[in-house]
Amino acid sequence: ELKVEQNPLFLSMQEGKNYTIYCNYSTTSDRLYWYRQDPGKSLESLFVLLSNGAVKQEGRLMASLDTKARLSTLHITAAVHDLSATYFCAVDRKRGAQKLVFGQGTRLTINP
Amino acid sequence: EAQVTQNPRYLITVTGKKLTVTCSQNMNHEYMSWYRQDPGLGLRQIYYSMNVEVTDKGDVPEGYKVSRKEKRNFPLILESPSPNQTSLYFCASSSPTTDRADIQYFGAGTRLSVL
Repeated sequence: ELKVEQNPLFLSMQEGKNYTIYCNYSTTSDRLYWYRQDPGKSLESLFVLLSNGAVKQEGRLMASLDTKARLSTLHITAAVHDLSATYFCAVDRKRGAQKLVFGQGTRLTINP
Repeated sequence: EAQVTQNPRYLITVTGKKLTVTCSQNMNHEYMSWYRQDPGLGLRQIYYSMNVEVTDKGDVPEGYKVSRKEKRNFPLILESPSPNQTSLYFCASSSPTTDRADIQYFGAGTRLSVL
């Protein structure tokens, strides 16, 4: 059974600092997704990582995937308040089918 | 405008009264999925579809049915709702072949309460 674990689950940080959210998964997969959810809102797709060593960046967010370690990271650079949200990773259990298992989510709060 | 439309946004119903939550996308996406989100349990996939007439179970399909007769629509049917189906539901769509391959677009959500 595929398990997806994120840590930390809660993160409070100051503007301007860097931090990393980790997403570990328990069985082989070569496709990993990152999402953002603002309070009371729907989800927004951030990145799809399709292979070992994949790195995607948008603005202050950068995601990477190490399929051998079964680990993805979401790195936040010089955080700003607008990045406060809950971030989820999800792993594809069936290649290319988007049969997804989600992590618990990381609630990120960025303080001025 | 590219969008995924869910209806209704809010619904209060009673145990056993059949209901359908509709989901429609205007992007000609092949893939569509339904998820539920519950406090403490996170996001879980209910059903997914890879194309017309191709559907499969996610993690929590019990008590739900889906159909994919047209590419744009993927309704979620609760034949006999029970209180444990009280939840926030999201529909999503994506395509494996566009320039934003596999990026999912989500509907606004349907908050369902079953009394």
